[in-house]
Amino acid sequence: QSALTQPASVSGSPGQSITISCTGTSSDVGAYNYVSWYQQHPGKAPKLMIYDVSNRPSGVSNRFSGSKSGNTASLTISGLQAEDEADYYCSSYTSSSTVVFGGGTKLTVL
Amino acid sequence: QVQLQESGPGLVKPSGTLSLTCAVSGDSISSNNWWSWVRQPPGKGLEWIGEIYHSGSTNYNPSLKSRVTISVDKSKNQFSLKLSSVTAADTAVYYCARRVRWHHDYWGQGTLVTVSS
Repeated sequence: QSALTQPASVSGSPGQSITISCTGTSSDVGAYNYVSWYQQHPGKAPKLMIYDVSNRPSGVSNRFSGSKSGNTASLTISGLQAEDEADYYCSSYTSSSTVVFGGGTKLTVL
Repeated sequence: QVQLQESGPGLVKPSGTLSLTCAVSGDSISSNNWWSWVRQPPGKGLEWIGEIYHSGSTNYNPSLKSRVTISVDKSKNQFSLKLSSVTAADTAVYYCARRVRWHHDYWGQGTLVTVSS
């Protein structure tokens, strides 16, 4: 299985909004509404930010939102804050009953 | 509060077998969840290795399937990973995680395993 495709890096200024894309295929992202997003700070374990395309776990800021169109999912962070600077990974369940992650996107807050 | 804790050797020789255990607290390994292993080579992205259900059912990453075995020990509320014929490319931080429905909600802190002679 191939990793989902994410941009290597994105950046934005405090207060701005950014969007990270995650492109898969009709066998993973396009097949189910089972896309999740994870935030990872250096040296830390990943943290679940979005699940089932657009749902936020309890405790996650409503500045984080998710969506999907066809084989591409997106994570939008509004009102950027310095603490949002991290790596972000998308993930999808697949039609082969496996899980696939994206290559990761480094978010820089300018 | 669900907690997962990885343990095992931090150094494995090339061609050897990597063995890790994940101790689960705050949830039963027999709950209606899957228990996963994910790894991250230094400076690289996350790679899903595989998962197990308490019944013993498993799913593996096709690229690693021939070398991976995941097992569960219900009496100790833990699950384990074995990766055989390791090379330097298997050097990574290994995480265990709980999969609830289609996402991983709790993760261990991760343990670095280095493959070197």
